[in-house]
Formats: sequence, structure tokens, C-alpha cells
Amino acid sequence: SAVISQKPSRDICQRGTSLTIQCQVDSQVTMMFWYRQQPGQSLTLIATANQGSEATYESGFVIDKFPISRPNLTFSTLTVSNMSPEDSSIYLCSVDVGGAGEKYFGPGTRLLVL
Amino acid sequence: QKEVEQNSGPLSVPEGAIASLNCTYSDRGSQSFFWYRQYSGKSPELIMFIYSNGDKEDGRFTAQLNKASQYVSLLIRDSQPSDSATYLCAVIPDSTLTFGKGTMLLVSP
Repeated sequence: SAVISQKPSRDICQRGTSLTIQCQVDSQVTMMFWYRQQPGQSLTLIATANQGSEATYESGFVIDKFPISRPNLTFSTLTVSNMSPEDSSIYLCSVDVGGAGEKYFGPGTRLLVL
Repeated sequence: QKEVEQNSGPLSVPEGAIASLNCTYSDRGSQSFFWYRQYSGKSPELIMFIYSNGDKEDGRFTAQLNKASQYVSLLIRDSQPSDSATYLCAVIPDSTLTFGKGTMLLVSP
């Protein structure tokens, strides 16, 4: 497994502002993943972040809304831009460890947009 | 669209009983199957994964896979109140891990 930390753990933000979420892993990993879990829903993959290249976004998610940085093999950030109440969600950072496709998750960032 | 279906529950079982959680998936080409446990307010925690048809046991947990029926289940023996959580089934139909919405399990003392 891997030890994953996220900052902030929670935040309350105003409509129209942006929030950057940080994810730190205790070991070097090739890919880092960003998920969203809206209230009462399951996890939805936002994008995959590779070090040294542009992030790959899933259908329905765009770089202008969710810019991602991946400066090294242990760190990534996700920014939620121009927030609206619909962005209220838990945002989770995840990594593959073990080679079987299994993912391990950070503790999550709970975001409330007013 | 590749889907993973779970009964939302809640599934209520008494302490000491066997809890049976079920999941179906739409993509017949799926190869890897995972069960996660998510306590309220926490992030998902991997319990087990399975690739081959049949059963895989780990302590009180048994994962069962039937690819012909596109069905995967999780059995929890000797259920404890601490097992009360939402259990997420996840499948890799291509290269993306796809989650179901989860089944809430309630184990009463």
C-alpha cells in the first residue's frame, strides 16, 4: 500500500473562487488519479496525472475547470476553478500500488461551495 | 456505457451472521474486480481483489466471481458492528477503474 496525504482536509468556499488541493504520496508513483464523490454518489474519475506530461481528463471534465499539476513523482495538485455549489463534493487523490490495478486513496478533501 | 450495479441497501444483518453483498457489471471483457469499504466520512479502503472465477478468501471475507453471469459478490462471515459501512464494488472494464454506487451494510449488536 501507500501513505497518501491531502491538504486541505475540508474547506468552505464562496461561489466564483478557486481552491487548490494538494496530494502527497510517500513513494514514487508513475500515475496519480483524482476522483470526485458527490453526496450519495459513487466515485467518478476526473483525470489521471502523469509526471512530465499533460493530465488526461475523463469525459465531462475539462482542464480549464480542473487544472492539474504533477511536478514530481510524489506530488500532485488539483484546482477546482470558478466554483459553484454543484462542485460541493469530496475530492480524492489515488495511486496504483502493487501492479494489480488496485487503487489506494488519500483521506479526501471535503469541499462545500456556498 | 460500462456500468457497475449494486443494491443501495441498507442491508441489515445481526451480529455474527453472514452478510452477502452483490454486484453485477455490464462489460463482459472486464478482468479485475475489487471490493472497497467506506466508513461514513472516510475515504474508500481496499478489502480484496479477484481475477479468476471462483472464490478467494481472506480472513472473514470471501470474494466470489462468476464471469459467465457477470456477477461478483462479497461474503462477510461473523459480521461485527464495526463492519457497518458502505461497500463499493469496482471493476476494470478497460483501463479505468469503474465504481458502483455501493451497498450500505448495517450490523446490529
